[in-house]
Amino acid sequence: AQKVTQAQTEISVVEKEDVTLDCVYETRDTTYYLFWYKQPPSGELVFLIRRNSFDEQNEISGRYSWNFQKSTSSFNFTITASQVVDSAVYFCALSEAPQGGSEKLVFGKGTKLTVNP
Amino acid sequence: GAVVSQHPSWVICKSGTSVKIECRSLDFQATTMFWYRQFPKQSLMLMATSNEGSKATYEQGVEKDKFLINHASLTLSTLTVTSAHPEDSSFYICSAPGAGHLTEQYFGPGTRLTVT
Repeated sequence: AQKVTQAQTEISVVEKEDVTLDCVYETRDTTYYLFWYKQPPSGELVFLIRRNSFDEQNEISGRYSWNFQKSTSSFNFTITASQVVDSAVYFCALSEAPQGGSEKLVFGKGTKLTVNP
Repeated sequence: GAVVSQHPSWVICKSGTSVKIECRSLDFQATTMFWYRQFPKQSLMLMATSNEGSKATYEQGVEKDKFLINHASLTLSTLTVTSAHPEDSSFYICSAPGAGHLTEQYFGPGTRLTVT
């Protein structure tokens, strides 16, 4: 069965600090997709990244970066020079997509990030 | 990018009544939509998969007679919470997958249901 574990329930940092949100997943499939979503207080999910299981390259997008390591089944998310606007709950999610189409997502429990000024 | 809307954004109803929540894909067609439920300070849990033109597929533990799903067109899925109880109060979010090989899920803004 699929499972996503986000061990950090809450993290609090001071603005400009770097912060890494951990995500560990379990799946029996060789083809799968990993996601990160941001959920601000408004509740709407904001898509951050999608990574397929065959692409282990790390990705950087502005202050955001992701480290995908299949050997440890981890897909960690780092925010560099955090800002107050980064405060939100961040969810890591997994889907199995054997035919390349979208499938249902299994979410981790989320990590609440608070960036203090 | 693709947009998914939900209506209403929030609703308050009395215990025992039914509430319908709509999920629409605004600029793309979706043969499949997903309904999630999120209790306060918890994660999103998939409730069911809505399939256009056929019956929805419910996750284990979700009562199909209580949470009625209708996917009548390629752009609209509805979730009806029947005989609502206070424990049904939650944030309901729908999503629709993108086309092709993108495998991106487009999420609606969510509907906050409060049952009094």
